[in-house]
Amino acid sequence: EPEVTQTPSHQVTQMGQEVILRCVPISNHLYFYWYRQILGQKVEFLVSFYNNEISEKSEIFDDQFSVERPDGSNFTLKIRSTKLEDSAMYFCASSEVVYRGTYGYTFGSGTRLTVV
Amino acid sequence: DQQVKQNSPSLSVQEGRISILNCDYTNSMFDYFLWYKKYPAEGPTFLISISSIKDKNEDGRFTVFLNKSAKHLSLHIVPSQPGDSAVYFCAANGSGNTGKLIFGQGTTLQVKP
Repeated sequence: EPEVTQTPSHQVTQMGQEVILRCVPISNHLYFYWYRQILGQKVEFLVSFYNNEISEKSEIFDDQFSVERPDGSNFTLKIRSTKLEDSAMYFCASSEVVYRGTYGYTFGSGTRLTVV
Repeated sequence: DQQVKQNSPSLSVQEGRISILNCDYTNSMFDYFLWYKKYPAEGPTFLISISSIKDKNEDGRFTVFLNKSAKHLSLHIVPSQPGDSAVYFCAANGSGNTGKLIFGQGTTLQVKP
């Protein structure tokens, strides 16, 4: 079964450093998403991306965050200057179309980001 | 922003019995609701969904019920199995056509053998 692959599985970084989280979506999918889950809290939407553009972003997704699809297969989330409160599990997801609920999206296993 | 709420953080049931997980929402504009299951160290996995124009959707052991007047949905698992032990998230489609999902806080289900 096709998978969404995320690397690394765990990243530790110092406060103020830049991090790039990487995702390889399912190959025929066109819509891409990033979500995050702070420990013990709910999964929160960060951004959706289609046709090389952000289609929606949340309040969390401020100027410190950016997304890119650099080479047609990878989908990256960059945090320019990490803060302690950015520590969370970050999930990438992809879908073939914008599902209206008939099927869910496919999520990756996540990258645990720890900012120290 | 508490548009989707799961008020029970945990639930424990005996193997073979019914598990009922509940979810409430506040936004009457949601048109689809989804349930995801999540094991530790894995991403959420889609389980079942329901359109806002229906009141029930069934898939094997899993049934989701929607009560629009009460803005409430529930997931029934019958019979429950130890492998069902996981965190269950209720989610709703955000407004617009961008694919955004709004999740509840999750309910940890433990099915005891």
